[in-house]
Amino acid sequence: DAKTTQPTSMDCAEGRAANLPCNHSTISGNEYVYWYRQIHSQGPQYIIHGLKNNETNEMASLIITEDRKSSTLILPHATLRDTAVYYCIVRVWGGNTPLVFGKGTRLSVIA
Amino acid sequence: GAVVSQHPSRVICKSGTSVKIECRSLDFQATTMFWYRQFPKQSLMLMATSNEGSKATYEQGVEKDKFLINHASLTLSTLTVTSAHPEDSSFYICSASFQGLNEQFFGPGTRLTVL
Repeated sequence: DAKTTQPTSMDCAEGRAANLPCNHSTISGNEYVYWYRQIHSQGPQYIIHGLKNNETNEMASLIITEDRKSSTLILPHATLRDTAVYYCIVRVWGGNTPLVFGKGTRLSVIA
Repeated sequence: GAVVSQHPSRVICKSGTSVKIECRSLDFQATTMFWYRQFPKQSLMLMATSNEGSKATYEQGVEKDKFLINHASLTLSTLTVTSAHPEDSSFYICSASFQGLNEQFFGPGTRLTVL
């Protein structure tokens, strides 16, 4: 079972920041927070991951609370192409451990 | 990032036939590959994990005799749906990883329709 809780859906105006929350209150000390997204009828796409520090890359920023029980993915300037289902996943380090997907958040970016 | 391909991208078959789906890592050697299934409006469900040269490990509820997985090389894994039924119609997605690498790279998916 997924160890994360996310809102079912969110809307965001084009050009504005999209803030997607995730609750992972049972996260273990050796588990990372990963974010993937899935655009309709495509395979998931990696966005970002972090352990306890905030992280930023060309796609997004990840803010993790100090107690690590929740996090927020920030898309700074959402575009219509960011419309997708966003999945927050906790997992230990290592590519040979599978990603377990929850229901995710369906983000709709509106013009 | 690394590229993973799947073939075919979509397939339609008759009930009772078998269908093979290929998953290839194009620019890296995948020591581990995963197979997922996704029904409409649902999330991805892990079916099995395969390590190169070893038998696949199937998730609970996935019939290993129906969904045959072969990971014979470091760049290729195949999923064969045997004696397909309409309820096997789904979106099948593979992902690949390399030992020591943290990320998993996903293929574009294969849409299977069983008539």
